[in-house]
Amino acid sequence: EVQLVESGGGLVKPGGSLRLSCVASGFIFSSSGMNWVRQAPGKRPEWVASITTSSNNIFYADSVKGRFTISRDNAKNSLYLQMNSLRVEDTAVYYCARDRKLDYWGQGTLVAVSS
Amino acid sequence: EIVMTQSPATLSVSPGERATLSCRASQSITSNLAWYQQRPGQAPRLLIYGASNRHTGVPVRFSGSGFGTDFTLTISSLQSEDFAVYYCQQYNDWPRTFGQGTKLEIK
Repeated sequence: EVQLVESGGGLVKPGGSLRLSCVASGFIFSSSGMNWVRQAPGKRPEWVASITTSSNNIFYADSVKGRFTISRDNAKNSLYLQMNSLRVEDTAVYYCARDRKLDYWGQGTLVAVSS
Repeated sequence: EIVMTQSPATLSVSPGERATLSCRASQSITSNLAWYQQRPGQAPRLLIYGASNRHTGVPVRFSGSGFGTDFTLTISSLQSEDFAVYYCQQYNDWPRTFGQGTKLEIK
């Protein structure tokens, strides 16, 4: 069974940093592209970043480019999102999701940015 | 950026009836379109990918069609668990983009 478990969310002040993690199981992690998607309360999901299997290609939404960094450790079956210079508008539930078609999602971790 | 537009915003249908949801892309995405279902408090769940392919475990009452810019999700006979919000998403180009959603409610 494919499982994705996110962690690392919390309450942070504007300008602060957080590092999200996603641990994968039930599939060959190193063979799957991975993604972060976020969803603010009452809004549609918003794609944040994607990374290919060997980290050779990385893509970011304009809204996070230069502030967020996606990475992965295939030996640990883990995906990460380093979030710096956080803004109030980054408040959302952050999900990791597998593959270009987002076929499996984690349960999400809440990031709240507020003073 | 490819803009995805869903219609209607809200659809009221009785259980057992058919529901038809639409999604339009601002430019051609060939068949690189997915549909997701989201129930309250849950993560989105993939239903359809490649415009018309059912994901593993998705009931056969869900079907997708379309190519290019116009797409449809059809639920043939609504069950109580189908009342939720549905999103389309294109994965043809960067950035990936979602529609604003269609809320399917009980009539």
